[in-house]
Amino acid sequence: DVKVTQSSRYLVKRTGEKVFLECVQDMDHENMFWYRQDPGLGLRLIYFSYDVKMKEKGDIPEGYSVSREKKERFSLILESASTNQTSMYLCASTSIGQGTDTQYFGPGTRLTVL
Amino acid sequence: AQRVTQPEKLLSVFKGAPVELKCNYSYSGSPELFWYVQYSRQRLQLLLRHISRESIKGFTADLNKGETSFHLKKPFAQEEDSAMYYCALRSFGNEKLTFGTGTRLTIIP
Repeated sequence: DVKVTQSSRYLVKRTGEKVFLECVQDMDHENMFWYRQDPGLGLRLIYFSYDVKMKEKGDIPEGYSVSREKKERFSLILESASTNQTSMYLCASTSIGQGTDTQYFGPGTRLTVL
Repeated sequence: AQRVTQPEKLLSVFKGAPVELKCNYSYSGSPELFWYVQYSRQRLQLLLRHISRESIKGFTADLNKGETSFHLKKPFAQEEDSAMYYCALRSFGNEKLTFGTGTRLTIIP
């Protein structure tokens, strides 16, 4: 079974703090994704990575950056957290080719910025 | 640009009644369409994909290119179907998914 884990289930931070959200997958997947999930807005892609040290902006990258130093780990960084970044953050991973295109999701991190 | 529209934010259906969750998309090429589901306190997971043409948990979805739709259907709703459902599209050669805004389905006992 594919396992995608996220470092925290709940996180509370203050405005202006630097925040790190970590995601680890154990299936040697090439692609990893960060989404935020908001009621009425669905899932919106923040960033994705298709290989180590490779990244591409998603639909809403402003205020975020990412890091992928190892294949299994993909970090989302909020350089200076703001209240409008209060959200549920979901990490996902997928392999490529041969129909193995299912995205496997982590349990999510609910971030509250005060 | 590609877009996925789920017109219903909330849908309530009586147990045993038919269910239809609507999904429409806009994309000029040949899309791949998916339904993902999130049950209470569980992670988001794939329910089905159009290329498999399979029935999962009694749900089916047919890609209608003429109407650019991929509606999810089940003939008889069960209480355990209560969940959040997302329709998603992947364009050819692209690894990214575009998700709709989701429909929360509640099955009334």
